[in-house]
Order: sequence, then structure tokens, then C-alpha cells
Amino acid sequence: EDQVTQSPEALRLQEGESSSLNCSYTVSGLRGLFWYRQDPGKGPEFLFTLYSAGEEKEKERLKATLTKKESFLHITAPKPEDSATYLCAVGEPGGGNKLTFGTGTQLKVEL
Amino acid sequence: DTAVSQTPKYLVTQMGNDKSIKCEQNLGHDTMYWYKQDSKKFLKIMFSYNNKELIINETVPNRFSPKSPDKAHLNLHINSLELGDSAVYFCASTQQAGDRGRESGYTFGSGTRLTVV
Repeated sequence: EDQVTQSPEALRLQEGESSSLNCSYTVSGLRGLFWYRQDPGKGPEFLFTLYSAGEEKEKERLKATLTKKESFLHITAPKPEDSATYLCAVGEPGGGNKLTFGTGTQLKVEL
Repeated sequence: DTAVSQTPKYLVTQMGNDKSIKCEQNLGHDTMYWYKQDSKKFLKIMFSYNNKELIINETVPNRFSPKSPDKAHLNLHINSLELGDSAVYFCASTQQAGDRGRESGYTFGSGTRLTVV
């Protein structure tokens, strides 16, 4: 069975203090590695999809990278508005676009 | 201009009752989903429909029955509610079930917080 493990569970940063979130995965066949952001009381919001090792994508202060076993979400010079739970998910072969999610990293950025 | 809308947002009910959650998407997507998020924020797929046809049915009790009257709507009916059903239920949609549909990821609704007392 596919597994996704995210670390750390929680991370507290000062504004401007860069860091990385980790997503390790074990899958029979990868059909995409997805990153989502979830704010309290809201549904997850799509950030990135990565398909192959070595691929990178960026959006504002966020950069996602992918290897054969893990993905990193790098946050450069974070601001308080980046505080949220970041979820990683893997897509599985076969029909239906099923995603298996990790339990997320809760990020808090303080002034 | 809500893309994926769920109703109700909050639902408090007693054990043994039957309840429904409704979901509608105005994105023109072909595939819709129900996910359950537990108290530890873990999201797990329950069902998926592609153009009104059930394509994913995870190990979910028979008390849960999805219904898709058309490709823009996916409802979830729950019979004989139990304490363990308390969670946040998310509806989501994507363009299609093939590879190309994955690029934009899911679009999620804002969730229905179900509390069974």
C-alpha cells in the first residue's frame, strides 16, 4: 500500500527564516506528487504537481523539488501569511486520480 | 463564484440519525470525490465518480452511500450515524480521470464538519 510521511509535524519559524518541509513516499508507481496548502476551516488549496525526479516548481516564496523517494517544499524568507498546514499527496496508477495524502506539516510564521 | 460548494458547512446530529451532505461544482469537471479528514488532519478518499459513474469505492461502511445525479453534483448520504463518523468531509473535483487532468490538481470545497453526539 502506498505511504506518505511528512516531517516535521509542526514547524515554527521567525519571519524571514527559511526552512524546508519533507515528504517521503513509498508507491508502486508514481503518477504525480502533489503539494497543497490548507488554512483553518478551509479545504486544501492546490500548489504544485511534480512528476519526475529532478523536477522543480516555484510559486512566490515556495519551491518544490522531487527525488525518487521524497519531495521538499522550501520556504524562502517566509511571512506570517504563509502560516498554514502543508499537505503532500501521491497519485497512484490506474483510473480515478486517487490521491494518498500525508498528515501534513503545520507551519507557523511569527513576526 | 464558488467553484466547489458544499452544504451544510456544519452538521451536528445524534447517533442513529440519517443525514445528507450536498456538493456542487461549476468548473465543468468530469470527476468528483468525497474525502474524509479526521481529527489529526489525515485526508482519506472515500468515493470517486466520473461523469456520474462510480469509479473508486474505498473500504467504507455500507451506511455511506454516494449519489451523483449529474456530473456537477455529488451527494453523500449517511445512515445510522455513529460517533466515529465525526470528521470533516470534503468534496473535490478534477477535470478528468486521465493523466492530463492531474496537472491542476483537485479543487476542494470548504468542507462539512460533522459532529455526532
